[in-house]
Amino acid sequence: GAVVSQHPSRVICKSGTSVKIECRSLDFQATTMFWYRQFPKQSLMLMATSNEGSKATYEQGVEKDKFLINHASLTLSTLTVTSAHPEDSSFYICSALGGPPEQFFGPGTRLTVL
Amino acid sequence: GESVGLHLPTLSVQEGDNSIINCAYSNSASDYFIWYKQESGKGPQFIIDIRSNMDKRQGQRVTVLLNKTVKHLSLQIAATQPGDSAVYFCAETFNDYKLSFGAGTTVTVRA
Repeated sequence: GAVVSQHPSRVICKSGTSVKIECRSLDFQATTMFWYRQFPKQSLMLMATSNEGSKATYEQGVEKDKFLINHASLTLSTLTVTSAHPEDSSFYICSALGGPPEQFFGPGTRLTVL
Repeated sequence: GESVGLHLPTLSVQEGDNSIINCAYSNSASDYFIWYKQESGKGPQFIIDIRSNMDKRQGQRVTVLLNKTVKHLSLQIAATQPGDSAVYFCAETFNDYKLSFGAGTTVTVRA
């Protein structure tokens, strides 16, 4: 089956720093990827849709200047959390759109901001 | 957009029994529904899906039922095993393939 990886799996950073999370589709090309955020004991909330070669589209309430998304190739999308604060601590999950509408999910990245 | 919700947040089931997890959705325009399993610290894992033009679909030990009249989706797991312990989410999609997840049901399998 289609495999999606994320790197890093865990990251701890100081408040005010920026963190980059990578999402890769390993065995297929994905023109569309999605970024989700999941707080403890809650559901996944879609943050943004990442489209290769164009700007990401953000869901309502998600700051595009804080969560920078780049989808420079058909197998890689990156999410950069800029000037991270403790309230940004969360589980960030990406998915890649395969043969639509099926999405393949990455294993997630645990971000802890001190 | 519309949100998908679940009836119960937790389900405890005896090993070997059948499990039924329910989900209510609110958008009658949704055309595709998926059940995911999420283990602690991991990403969602696809279980089974169903399109809006179907009312039942079976997989290995799992069955999804869709009742469009009452906007209800259920996941049945036969002969529940300890490895089935996880959080289960239903999700719906619209034409642009964006997923809307329900709140999740935590399933605990008793030995």
